[in-house]
Amino acid sequence: GENVEQHPSTLSVQEGDSAVIKCTYSDSASNYFPWYKQELGKGPQLIIDIRSNVGEKKDQRIAVTLNKTAKHFSLHITETQPEDSAVYFCAASIGYYGQNFVFGPGTRLSVLP
Amino acid sequence: EPEVTQTPSHQVTQMGQEVILRCVPISNHLYFYWYRQILGQKVEFLVSFYNNEISEKSEIFDDQFSVERPDGSNFTLKIRSTKLEDSAMYFCASSEMGSPNYGYTFGSGTRLTVV
Repeated sequence: GENVEQHPSTLSVQEGDSAVIKCTYSDSASNYFPWYKQELGKGPQLIIDIRSNVGEKKDQRIAVTLNKTAKHFSLHITETQPEDSAVYFCAASIGYYGQNFVFGPGTRLSVLP
Repeated sequence: EPEVTQTPSHQVTQMGQEVILRCVPISNHLYFYWYRQILGQKVEFLVSFYNNEISEKSEIFDDQFSVERPDGSNFTLKIRSTKLEDSAMYFCASSEMGSPNYGYTFGSGTRLTVV
């Protein structure tokens, strides 16, 4: 089955710096890769996603890149702010319809003021 | 913005007891899901549900678990004979369609503690 790995497990950056989180997946059939932000006591919230027919997607300070050949994808957050502090999960679609996900183990991002 | 609502937010139960976790998906969504997150670990897929039947389930979702849509709004996860290792956050999610990215939304979760 699909296995998603994620690095680093914790990341501390100074406010204003960039943060990069990397994920790899094992199943070449996966074709949709969302990124979720989870704040304390809340459910995962989708922040950005990418499909396998796209190499890069950007939404304001957040971008995601996908290398389908190498089976890895990355989240880039620029100009980090204290409110970006949270746990970030990458995920890869699985299942016959691709509507279920295997999540990575998460990255705890701390943005220091 | 539409939300997936889960109740209760926290449930404590004795080992061996049955629990029912409740979810109200977004009203026009047709696909429903349960995920589990053991403290400090990754979110794990349990089951997906469409048209009043299970469409997919993981190996975690064994005979101890069942799901139901008892009426037009609720979607429930029942855990029979709870074990200590069932302690986790349980997240419900719903989506408009069976493909991802069709409004796939998670609820805030129910923290289940089995003592």
